[in-house]
Amino acid sequence: DGGITQSPKYLFRKEGQNVTLSCEQNLNHDAMYWYRQDPGQGLRLIYYSQIVNDFQKGDIAEGYSVSREKKESFPLTVTSAQKNPTAFYLCASRNQPLGGYTFGSGTRLTVV
Amino acid sequence: DQQVKQNSPSLSVQEGRISILNCDYTNSMFDYFLWYKKYPAEGPTFLISISSIKDKNEDGRFTVFLNKSAKHLSLHIVPSQPGDSAVYFCAASEDNDMRFGAGTRLTVKP
Repeated sequence: DGGITQSPKYLFRKEGQNVTLSCEQNLNHDAMYWYRQDPGQGLRLIYYSQIVNDFQKGDIAEGYSVSREKKESFPLTVTSAQKNPTAFYLCASRNQPLGGYTFGSGTRLTVV
Repeated sequence: DQQVKQNSPSLSVQEGRISILNCDYTNSMFDYFLWYKKYPAEGPTFLISISSIKDKNEDGRFTVFLNKSAKHLSLHIVPSQPGDSAVYFCAASEDNDMRFGAGTRLTVKP
């Protein structure tokens, strides 16, 4: 079955460490997205990529980095520069131009 | 700058009754609107959408209404079922830019 796989489901990070969240899709979608969800807030866009080897910052890109070396993969690195990284992270993909988004099951990151 | 707003953080309805979830937006350039349903610790799943050229779209128990002049979107669920209990996100899209509301937690009581 086609879909998006995010791993791990739960992740704990010590302050000052970088961590990388994985996102893989086998839907052959062109565009991929990373969102962050905090309690009482909507999904906020961190980064997105419309094609391989290209990506753009979203609304809250500071402290995050991404890469898009393959169409299927869009990993997100939460760096030590992100001051408040504890959140639920969602990866999504969609077919251009007006396809609906398909979301992964999310990764809950907790800084300890 | 919140371009999509869901002003009701929660809604509780009785099983069998109608649930109405509301959403307001500020950007008149949005041309595609969607509703997503989300269970705890899971990613949102697509529920229903509507293009800006329409004012209503129906899919089974779910109907989305769009009032462009008021920049208002609503989702009607009838009849509501306990399994509908979840957080519902409204989303609005323009080209590659999609904005989400903060979500409304719907509780359907048996």
